[in-house]
Amino acid sequence: AQTVTQSQPEMSVQEAETVTLSCTYDTSESDYYLFWYKQPPSRQMILVIRQEAYKQQNATENRFSVNFQKAAKSFSLKISDSQLGDAAMYFCAYRSLTLTTGNQFYFGTGTSLTVIP
Amino acid sequence: SQTIHQWPATLVQPVGSPLSLECTVEGTSNPNLYWYRQAAGRGLQLLFYSVGIGQISSEVPQNLSASRPQDRQFILSSKKLLLSDSGFYLCAWMRRTGNTEAFFGQGTRLTVV
Repeated sequence: AQTVTQSQPEMSVQEAETVTLSCTYDTSESDYYLFWYKQPPSRQMILVIRQEAYKQQNATENRFSVNFQKAAKSFSLKISDSQLGDAAMYFCAYRSLTLTTGNQFYFGTGTSLTVIP
Repeated sequence: SQTIHQWPATLVQPVGSPLSLECTVEGTSNPNLYWYRQAAGRGLQLLFYSVGIGQISSEVPQNLSASRPQDRQFILSSKKLLLSDSGFYLCAWMRRTGNTEAFFGQGTRLTVV
């Protein structure tokens, strides 16, 4: 089974600064998707950004961007110009494309981000 | 547009009592459906997934079971709750193909006392 590792249980960043959250994964598949989800105190899971493994170009969504290193199996999230509303738990997720396993999602253990005013 | 409903939002149940959490999806057909549990301060643990009516796969052996009686309905059950069943339960759905993400319900906070 695939595993997703987030080695930073907690991170903090000053408002308006930049922070990078780390994620590594283990897989034998060649094609898959990677995601970053945000879970604010409301516990609602919100998609932040997605990356297709076959694409070399790193995905960006406004202040959020990723550094996808397929060979290293690394998928980090960079948040620029951090805002107070960015404070949340962030989960890295891997989506298998194997139909026999129901296209499963595998989640990391999360990184709790604090934004300091 | 697609929506996912999960209820109840909170639940307090005594040890040994039964459990039934329900999840329904609207606006799509043949979704993959998932039940996750999130223990306090922990990540999401996949409990069950379903690729079709009556088709349930279990990821972790435990005190819980799941059923999919209809295409867009997914139920998480237990005959006798344990203290360790306490946690935050999330239902999710996903299209079978394409680069879509998983869409999550609002979650159920279960406390077993």
